[in-house]
Amino acid sequence: EIVLTQSPGTLSLSPGERATLSCRASQSVSSSYLAWYQQKPGQAPRLLIYGASSRATGIPDRFSGSGSGTDFTLTISRLEPEDFAVYYCQQYGSSPTFGQGTKVEIK
Amino acid sequence: QVQLQQWGAGLLKPSETLSLTCAVYGGSFSGYYWSWIRQPPGKGLEWIGEINHSGSTNYNPSLKSRVTISVDTSKNQFSLKLSSVTAADTAVYYCARGPEDCSSTSCYQTPFDPWGQGTLVTVSS
Repeated sequence: EIVLTQSPGTLSLSPGERATLSCRASQSVSSSYLAWYQQKPGQAPRLLIYGASSRATGIPDRFSGSGSGTDFTLTISRLEPEDFAVYYCQQYGSSPTFGQGTKVEIK
Repeated sequence: QVQLQQWGAGLLKPSETLSLTCAVYGGSFSGYYWSWIRQPPGKGLEWIGEINHSGSTNYNPSLKSRVTISVDTSKNQFSLKLSSVTAADTAVYYCARGPEDCSSTSCYQTPFDPWGQGTLVTVSS
C-alpha cells in the first residue's frame, strides 16, 4: 500500500496569500496518478487536480499542481474566501489511498 | 453530466450488516469502475472497494473479509454490503466513479469523479 503523508496539517493564511501544500508518497506514484481534492464541511470531496498537474473541469487557474515520483505540491496562488477548506491528495496508480488532509484556515 | 445518488439505512446496531446503494444517472455506466469510499467523523478518506459493469471487484485488504460490492446493470446501480459492523464503521459513506476508465479501446486509471452526496451511517447499540 502506498502511504501518502500531507504537510502541514493546518495552514493559517489570509485571503490573497499563496498556499503551498505538500504530499509525499512512501513509494513512487506510477505515471503521476496523483489527484487533489477540496472538501468543505458537509460536502463530498471535489476533484481539483488529476495527473499531478491537470486541472479538472471548471477549476480556477489559481489552483495548480506539480511534482512527480514521491513528491507532489498543490499551490493556490491567491486565496479566495471560498478556498478555505480541507485538501486531500490521493494516488490512483495502485490500490487507491488518500493523504490525511491539510486544513487551510483563515488567519 | 453524470450524477450519483445514494441511499441506505443510517442507523445500525453492532453486528448488523450495512447496506447502501448508488444509482448512476446521465452518463455511461458500463466501461467504468465504480467505488465506495468512507470518512469517519472528523477524519480522512478510506477507499473500500470497486466494481465494474461485469461484476469484477477489488477490495481494500483491510476490509475485504467483510465487504461485498455488487452491480445491477439493468438499473445502473451498484451496492455495498459491510457485515458485522462495529462503532469503528461509523462514517459518511460515498459512492464515486473511478478509479478506472475502460470506456474506450484501452483502460486507464482515473481519479474519483463525480461523487455521490454521502450517507452518514452510525453504528450504536
